[in-house]
Amino acid sequence: DADVTQTPRNRITKTGKRIMLECSQTKGHDRMYWYRQDPGLGLRLIYYSFDVKDINKGEISDGYSVSRQAQAKFSLSLESAIPNQTALYFCATSDSVQGRNQPQHFGDGTRLSIL
Amino acid sequence: QKEVEQDPGPLSVPEGAIVSLNCTYSNSAFQYFMWYRQYSRKGPELLMYTYSSGNKEDGRFTAQVDKSSKYISLFIRDSQPSDSATYLCAMSGTNDYKLSFGAGTTVTVRA
Repeated sequence: DADVTQTPRNRITKTGKRIMLECSQTKGHDRMYWYRQDPGLGLRLIYYSFDVKDINKGEISDGYSVSRQAQAKFSLSLESAIPNQTALYFCATSDSVQGRNQPQHFGDGTRLSIL
Repeated sequence: QKEVEQDPGPLSVPEGAIVSLNCTYSNSAFQYFMWYRQYSRKGPELLMYTYSSGNKEDGRFTAQVDKSSKYISLFIRDSQPSDSATYLCAMSGTNDYKLSFGAGTTVTVRA
């Protein structure tokens, strides 16, 4: 089984709909992240969470919200989807070791299309 | 100007060739350097993780970091068709949660 699981893997929806993408992990990591990937732009950070009570905006948080339901679960919501939010969305996790930055581990992504 | 620049390719090489990938960056605070491999319809998979300047080798993969030139490289020796993927560089500063990614280079290894 995958260490970082994202659901759904694919989703097509219409403009104005509310969408929730879910992420769960079995790695036991404290830190979780949401990214979107667009061709030619690489991965851009939407939100990140260092623990259940700590939620922070990334570089492109407008139009998105998140919820950290438990250490292992981090969901991303699009309150009112718009076509330019069509992208690949990735969840990632990392361990927290004081004084040393740890690499991030990614799920297999959600391909979201908004018509 | 982007903080991390990476040639998107595409790069096509015959099986057995050496693949050379690189990224340049502008932020002198970056200390941690990573290379990820991403297959189609999959998430990025960590390949190499290095700290500060120097070389690191893992099997057919070698990562090099030259902080004085703000330049990192990944070499793949004896390339195989299974190495066909998009390769992403990523980097961060000390105690910095945020990874800065290159846009990725698409590599095809021809059998």
